[in-house]
Amino acid sequence: DGGITQSPKYLFRKEGQNVTLSCEQNLNHDAMYWYRQDPGQGLRLIYYSQIVNDFQKGDIAEGYSVSREKKESFPLTVTSAQKNPTAFYLCASSTGIGELFFGEGSRLTVL
Amino acid sequence: AQSVTQPDIHITVSEGASLELRCNYSYGATPYLFWYVQSPGQGLQLLLKYFSGDTLVQGIKGFEAEFKRSQSSFNLRKPSGHWSDPAEYFCAVGAEGGSYIPTFGRGTSLIVHP
Repeated sequence: DGGITQSPKYLFRKEGQNVTLSCEQNLNHDAMYWYRQDPGQGLRLIYYSQIVNDFQKGDIAEGYSVSREKKESFPLTVTSAQKNPTAFYLCASSTGIGELFFGEGSRLTVL
Repeated sequence: AQSVTQPDIHITVSEGASLELRCNYSYGATPYLFWYVQSPGQGLQLLLKYFSGDTLVQGIKGFEAEFKRSQSSFNLRKPSGHWSDPAEYFCAVGAEGGSYIPTFGRGTSLIVHP
């Protein structure tokens, strides 16, 4: 089945550590997105990529980094510079128009 | 810039009663409009979408939405709430051309009482 796979589903991090969240899609979509979700705040865009080897900052990119070396993959690194990283992270993809297809999410908790 | 407002943080209905979740958008041209549903700890699933044509669109799980250009609204409705409907519902707007970045509302939490 085609879809988006995020891993891990749950992740714990100590302060000062970088962590990387994986996002893989087999939908052959050009565009991929990372969103952060906090209670009562909806979805906030972190980064997006419309094509391989190119990506753009979203509204809350500080403290995060991404890469897009392959069409299928768009990993997100939460760096130690992100002051409040505990959140639910959602990866999505699209053809560049139309609806977004979402993964099941990754919940990051800082200890 | 496009924007989406979901004025209701929570909506509570009785099982079997009709329900309506409101969505207002701001965009200069004809937008692409979406409703998504999210169960706790899960990703978002598309309920329905409007691109053009008939302004009343049908979706999954018995939901429908009506696009009203004059009111800049795209409200989600269901004739009879079901015990399986409680979830977070998000309205989103997208636009053709340039970078395709759909904008999401803050969500409405639906509660269904037995």
